[in-house]
Amino acid sequence: AQSVAQPEDQVNVAEGNPLTVKCTYSVSGNPYLFWYVQYPNRGLQFLLKYITGDNLVKGSYGFEAEFNKSQTSFHLKKPSALVSDSALYFCAVRDRIQGAQKLVFGQGTRLTINP
Amino acid sequence: DGGITQSPKYLFRKEGQNVTLSCEQNLNHDAMYWYRQDPGQGLRLIYYSQIVNDFQKGDIAEGYSVSREKKESFPLTVTSAQKNPTAFYLCASSAGTVNTGELFFGEGSRLTVL
Repeated sequence: AQSVAQPEDQVNVAEGNPLTVKCTYSVSGNPYLFWYVQYPNRGLQFLLKYITGDNLVKGSYGFEAEFNKSQTSFHLKKPSALVSDSALYFCAVRDRIQGAQKLVFGQGTRLTINP
Repeated sequence: DGGITQSPKYLFRKEGQNVTLSCEQNLNHDAMYWYRQDPGQGLRLIYYSQIVNDFQKGDIAEGYSVSREKKESFPLTVTSAQKNPTAFYLCASSAGTVNTGELFFGEGSRLTVL
């Protein structure tokens, strides 16, 4: 089965500094990878996805992610963090079972940006 | 505006009662999903449906039931058999197998058992 892991429960970054939220994956075949963000008591919002092509994927709100096949990683990055980026971030991978598809999510990483 | 509407946003239930959470989408998506979110455990799949009148169990289906009588609706019933139902429930949809798997989420329903 496809899976993703987010090794850090929490990440703290000072405002204006670059941020990285880590994700590693375990898949058979080519991975379809996603990042979502969740604000308190809200649903998940799509940030970006990697399907194929360039290893650097650009998404919403200035976020980008780097797909690294040799390290089986898909880390989320932003050059300069904002306090408003503080939220819960989920990495996910597509899984296909008997023609159906679903997303399998990591445990989530709580990102806190300090003013 | 197209989107997914979940209701109610907050729900309180006494032990032994069944409750039904509503999920409606106007995105014309074929596939719909229910996830459960608990602190520190990420999202776990309860049920999913690829087409009308068909649905499959996810990873934690015990104590839950669903129906898919209409394309736009996928209600979830939390039965009294669910031992620990207090959680945040998220409904999602996607265009189905013709797309890359991206999900669109509702705003969630928080269920608390008193």
